[in-house]
Amino acid sequence: KAGVTQTPRYLIKTRGQQVTLSCSPISGHRSVSWYQQTPGQGLQFLFEYFSETQRNKGNFPGRFSGRQFSNSRSEMNVSTLELGDSALYLCASSLGGRGPLFSYNEQFFGPGTRLTVL
Amino acid sequence: KNEVEQSPQNLTAQEGEFITINCSYSVGISALHWLQQHPGGGIVSLFMLSSGKKKHGRLIATINIQEKHSSLHITASHPRDSAVYICAVNSGGSNYKLTFGKGTLLTVNP
Repeated sequence: KAGVTQTPRYLIKTRGQQVTLSCSPISGHRSVSWYQQTPGQGLQFLFEYFSETQRNKGNFPGRFSGRQFSNSRSEMNVSTLELGDSALYLCASSLGGRGPLFSYNEQFFGPGTRLTVL
Repeated sequence: KNEVEQSPQNLTAQEGEFITINCSYSVGISALHWLQQHPGGGIVSLFMLSSGKKKHGRLIATINIQEKHSSLHITASHPRDSAVYICAVNSGGSNYKLTFGKGTLLTVNP
């Protein structure tokens, strides 16, 4: 089974621009979560999508948004880029159901997109 | 104070040594995860547990819910174990929002 894929892997943008990152989950996984990793703050949760709906949201400004398509692929968008948005952006997929199976929680991470804002 | 605290921040060991990384958390959780991140960024989920103990090869993870504490042990460490190990918890009533520790950088020398 193919793993989680993210595109692009590397991206350079300038302040004020916007960027869209893509994540394709493992086949059959319906939940996609996005995380930001910086040297100063470490890993932080951005948001989680399940069945095209945002189900959980972290503490990030409205410039950070996302969506999920009917095939579970997800995109996140950052508008009006700031220097501090330079980071590794990771997505993770999981089965995502609300049933009793603990395994629904297990997350599988993609390789990440490294965004540099100049 | 962070919700998830890890210790130590950095750990250097000789090949073959027994290694312990600790994680303490201050919130109620539904699950705790141990993750491994190699240089270059890729993250691998090592364990997900809510009680007791799990073992995969040379790796052992334990959790004490009452004490809000978990440990990751590596037996017979090897240079290929060198990586950042990150503890994360599902909290706040959500099964899909992870809160992370700052990570422990492990270096195993041959």
